[in-house]
Amino acid sequence: GEDVEQSLFLSVREGDSSVINCTYTDSSSTYLYWYKQEPGAGLQLLTYIFSNMDMKQDQRLTVLLNKKDKHLSLRIADTQTGDSAIYFCAEGGATNKLIFGTGTLLAVQP
Amino acid sequence: DGGITQSPKYLFRKEGQNVTLSCEQNLNHDAMYWYRQDPGQGLRLIYYSQIVNDFQKGDIAEGYSVSREKKESFPLTVTSAQKNPTAFYLCASSPRTGGLREQFFGPGTRLTVL
Repeated sequence: GEDVEQSLFLSVREGDSSVINCTYTDSSSTYLYWYKQEPGAGLQLLTYIFSNMDMKQDQRLTVLLNKKDKHLSLRIADTQTGDSAIYFCAEGGATNKLIFGTGTLLAVQP
Repeated sequence: DGGITQSPKYLFRKEGQNVTLSCEQNLNHDAMYWYRQDPGQGLRLIYYSQIVNDFQKGDIAEGYSVSREKKESFPLTVTSAQKNPTAFYLCASSPRTGGLREQFFGPGTRLTVL
């Protein structure tokens, strides 16, 4: 079945780069998404990548997609304390349903 | 402003009571979703609806019910049959067609059973 896996926790120092990793199983995924959830709030879309792309850059965010290995990563450059949150990757295919990962808690130390 | 609203933000319920969580959107989206979030378990899909008067069970539908009488509204009822209802509930909506079917989320409702 479809499954999306992420590591549960990542701790970095302010100003360093953060890399959050995700693996997925559905090779028919059309879009892959990164969502951010701040404490007690809903999810907001950070960025997405189409499955025929290898990389997408959006200001401090870089998404890398290795379709052969079904591996997705999100790099946040110059990480700030305001980046502390839970980050979810999600895959979407032919249906409207998204399959979400378990989320990675990013803790940024000042 | 366009968006999704959920109410209330916090909800307390006694065991054995049914409770209904509200979700409204003005994004003109056909599809709507309900998720449950527990610590360390990510988001689990409860129910989803792709069009008015139609809905399907998600992965954890037991003990929940929904209705979709209007495009803008997708209320979720947590029934007394749900054995462990304390959780954070998130509603989302998305376009039904097109390539990028980004889901937009509401702020969530935290339900606590006393």
